[in-house]
Amino acid sequence: AQSVAQPEDQVNVAEGNPLTVKCTYSVSGNPYLFWYVQYPNRGLQFLLKYITGDNLVKGSYGFEAEFNKSQTSFHLKKPSALVSDSALYFCAVRDLNDNVNKFYFGSGTKLNVKP
Amino acid sequence: DAGITQSPRHKVTETGTPVTLRCHQTENHRYMYWYRQDPGHGLRLIHYSYGVKDTDKGEVSDGYSVSRSKTEDFLLTLESATSSQTSVYFCAIRENPGQGNSPLHFGNGTRLTVT
Repeated sequence: AQSVAQPEDQVNVAEGNPLTVKCTYSVSGNPYLFWYVQYPNRGLQFLLKYITGDNLVKGSYGFEAEFNKSQTSFHLKKPSALVSDSALYFCAVRDLNDNVNKFYFGSGTKLNVKP
Repeated sequence: DAGITQSPRHKVTETGTPVTLRCHQTENHRYMYWYRQDPGHGLRLIHYSYGVKDTDKGEVSDGYSVSRSKTEDFLLTLESATSSQTSVYFCAIRENPGQGNSPLHFGNGTRLTVT
């Protein structure tokens, strides 16, 4: 069965410092992986997706994600955090071998960036 | 903006009453989804549709039904609302289902409170 784990409910970082939001996944086949951001009272916005063969994927707003097949991880990163990055972040996975178009989401990580 | 409109945006209803939430899209995408978001659970799939009158269950489908009589509208019905169905409900579409890593795009959600 497919699943996604975000081990940290909350991440706190100072503005200007690098940030990492962790995600690990479990699928029976090869994964399609995604990151989303949610601001208060809004829907989820797509940030970036894994592209086969690229271990470092770049996305919107300066975010990037590092794929590690041996650790089954897809951590979200940003070299220098902004206060405006404070939001709820979700990792999602779809199984390449799954003929059904189902996406599975992690429980979310709240990112707090302090001035 | 993926052209997704959810209505109503907020709804308060009493236990035992029927409730229908509407998702409307303007771009004729084939795949549409209903998720619910609850603290600590992230997003969980309720039902999805892969075409007019073609629907399937997700991981938390009990107590919910859906209908899709035309491409642009996907309705979620709670036949007899319960307090456990108090949640934020999100509709999503998938733009290019032929591409494995094509992401979901979400509406702004409906906040449902069952008293």
